[in-house]
Amino acid sequence: DADVTQTPRNRITKTGKRIMLECSQTKGHDRMYWYRQDPGLGLRLIYYSFDVKDINKGEISDGYSVSRQAQAKFSLSLESAIPNQTALYFCATSDPNSQPQHFGDGTRLSIL
Amino acid sequence: RKEVEQDPGPFNVPEGATVAFNCTYSNSASQSFFWYRQDCRKEPKLLMSVYSSGNEDGRFTAQLNRASQYISLLIRDSKLSDSATYLCVVIVSGSARQLTFGSGTQLTVLP
Repeated sequence: DADVTQTPRNRITKTGKRIMLECSQTKGHDRMYWYRQDPGLGLRLIYYSFDVKDINKGEISDGYSVSRQAQAKFSLSLESAIPNQTALYFCATSDPNSQPQHFGDGTRLSIL
Repeated sequence: RKEVEQDPGPFNVPEGATVAFNCTYSNSASQSFFWYRQDCRKEPKLLMSVYSSGNEDGRFTAQLNRASQYISLLIRDSKLSDSATYLCVVIVSGSARQLTFGSGTQLTVLP
């Protein structure tokens, strides 16, 4: 089983819909992250959480929200999806003294 | 100016060739450096950390030049399986250990 699991793997939806991407991990890491990847722009950090009670905005948090339901679960929501949120989304985890090096398989999201 | 800049490529090289990728970073407070590898439509995976004295892992050599704010990755004796996108990654001091990614350099090793 994968250490970091993202669901769904692929999603196509319409503008204005609410979308939730879920991430769960079995590594026991405290830190979890959400990134998006766009062609030519690399990965950009959306939100990160250092423990269940800690949520921080990243570089591009506008239009997104997150929830850290438990140490193992970190979900990303798009309250009202828009086409420029079409991207590949990655969840990642790390322990406190290392870089986020454990990525999920990614969620490919298309908003029409 | 991007915080981490890479030549996007693509680099197309024959098997057995030596290829080098460069990366520059703009924040002088950057403290940690890495190369990640990303296969098409897959997640990034850590390839190697980059240390000030330079470091080698098999066919891969990474170097850091703090004065010029420059990182490099050298791949010797390229294999078909080396075909991927290589991401330069930096952590800035005081940034809560957030990663800043370059946009990646695409490598294709040809038979």
